[in-house]
Amino acid sequence: RKEVEQDPGPFNVPEGATVAFNCTYSNSASQSFFWYRQDCRKEPKLLMSVYSSGNEDGRFTAQLNRASQYISLLIRDSKLSDSATYLCVVRLGGRRALTFGSGTRLQVQP
Amino acid sequence: EAQVTQNPRYLITVTGKKLTVTCSQNMNHEYMSWYRQDPGLGLRQIYYSMNVEVTDKGDVPEGYKVSRKEKRNFPLILESPSPNQTSLYFCASSQNSGVGNEKLFFGSGTQLSVL
Repeated sequence: RKEVEQDPGPFNVPEGATVAFNCTYSNSASQSFFWYRQDCRKEPKLLMSVYSSGNEDGRFTAQLNRASQYISLLIRDSKLSDSATYLCVVRLGGRRALTFGSGTRLQVQP
Repeated sequence: EAQVTQNPRYLITVTGKKLTVTCSQNMNHEYMSWYRQDPGLGLRQIYYSMNVEVTDKGDVPEGYKVSRKEKRNFPLILESPSPNQTSLYFCASSQNSGVGNEKLFFGSGTQLSVL
């Protein structure tokens, strides 16, 4: 089992839809959580950090469920420009380095 | 402009021919790291550096070398490339040395093909 696991998708949704991705992690002592966005074959860019109480940035909401060891990303009112791969990133307990999930691909269609 | 610069963007080489991928950042970041990205596997860390002259292995260091003689530069060296090192490589940097909610800044990537 992967230490950070994501559904690869693709998630095909129409413009304006609400879509949610989950990401599970293996280590209950994990400390830091992030969502990165990656456009095709380009560099990943930080979308948002995920805080214990949950956090929102415009149309994007991130949540952390420590009991079930997963984080989620909710995108409301999807735009064509949201089409990308979303990478779940976790600092697993006892590790200095970040561990990346393999990504969930989102395709927003007109 | 704050950035991480990687070169080259594309590289095709043959088995056994030594190569270096350069990485430079202009943000005075302490932490630098190399990743490779393969389909279905996500980004995997090769080596990282907490500061000048401080480097350590990541998850997949075999076949790679790095050095950190200056704060801004962190080259990745493949002494004898093999076809299984064909991959998309990213260099990244951040302000903090792996602590807290630091943001990683990535270079634009190097697509390496080893024939």
